[in-house]
Order: sequence, then C-alpha cells, then structure tokens
Amino acid sequence: NAGVTQTPKFQVLKTGQSMTLQCAQDMNHNSMYWYRQDPGMGLRLIYYSASEGTTDKGEVPNGYNVSRLNKREFSLRLESAAPSQTSVYFCASSGPTAPNEKLFFGSGTQLSVL
Amino acid sequence: AQSVTQLGSHVSVSEGALVLLRCNYSSSVPPYLFWYVQYPNQGLQLLLKYTSAATLVKGINGFEAEFKKSETSFHLTKPSAHMSDAAEYFCAVTSPSNAGKSTFGDGTTLTVKP
Repeated sequence: NAGVTQTPKFQVLKTGQSMTLQCAQDMNHNSMYWYRQDPGMGLRLIYYSASEGTTDKGEVPNGYNVSRLNKREFSLRLESAAPSQTSVYFCASSGPTAPNEKLFFGSGTQLSVL
Repeated sequence: AQSVTQLGSHVSVSEGALVLLRCNYSSSVPPYLFWYVQYPNQGLQLLLKYTSAATLVKGINGFEAEFKKSETSFHLTKPSAHMSDAAEYFCAVTSPSNAGKSTFGDGTTLTVKP
C-alpha cells in the first residue's frame, strides 16, 4: 500500500548542478503535481499533469522541467540548481474526479542548494 | 483566480481547550475547500473537504469545519485539543475552472500545551 513514493528523501547540490526528483504513484490516478514548500509560504504549485502526456505550469515553474513518463511516474528536473531552489518538494496525485478529490502526498524531498 | 488566507501563523491552546483555525478564501466560482494536516517530516494528509454538499463537514480526529459562503470562510474547529493535534494545518481551495490545481494557505502551526 505504497501510495505516492518520492526519491530521494534528501539531497545537497552545488549551484549549477542538475538533478531529477522521481515520483511514482500506484493508485491509478490521472492527475499528478509537484509542489514546493518554503517556511511561512505554504505549498506552491510548480507543475501539474492532468494525464499521461500532458503537463501544465503552476505558480512557480521557472527553473524546473517535468516529464510525465507514464501514468504512474512524474519527474521534476532542475537543470541548473540555484540557492533559491532550496526547499522541500512534494509530489502529489489525485483521483478520477479531480478537482474535488483530495491530494495524496509523498513524504517529500528536502533539497539544499549551496 | 483563487486564493486562501489563513489568519494566524501560530495558534497555541491548552490541552482540552477549543481549537479554532481560521481560513478565508477567494474564488470566482463555487469552490472546493480542504483542510490538510502535516506532522513533522511528513507529507500532508487530508483532514476534511467541502464539495458543495453539507456545509458542516466532519473530518478525522474529531475535527470539523463549516462552509460559510456569506463570510467566504471555512474555519476548522475541534472542541477539545489533544497533545497529538500539535502539527501544521493548511487550508486549500480548488475549483473546476482551475483544472483542479489547489491553492494553499501559508499554514497555521498549532501548539498544544499540557
């Protein structure tokens, strides 16, 4: 009963390095999301995917790219990491009757960019 | 456009006292409203949601919230706080016109004193 699985849990990067955050869900959900969480700022949507093969920008997409590899997997890529991207990243998914469906969240990735 | 304002970034109550966490929303169409809870080092979990059925919504762990359209509010309450309720709470809004992309408030940290 895994739900939403994110990897890695922790990552430290140097400015300019690249990395990909992986996310997979086993609930057969169509919609998947990437959020970032910063102290005192709640969660802000980075990118959204309504279904396999489609992606859409959220509130804070600059500096990120995403890939909806298949229905299960939705990855987030930082091409050239910046200190402003230090944050906790959450992947989420929602069921077939979104938007009134709740979000299921992964446990998060804590990213530090030095 | 949609937005959420949570009044009070920190709320402190004594064990056994009433918990009241405030949320006001803005939405150009009838909204769907959610309360999530986040325990340390975990992802968010749904407490309850409002999707245009009953205006008084009961959730898990004894929490409930009342949708008041005239006040554009969706405040979260619990009659008697327990130590285990200490966590961060997020109010979120979404709507069909926004493709299900949730907007979160900045969060309220609840402290429960013995």
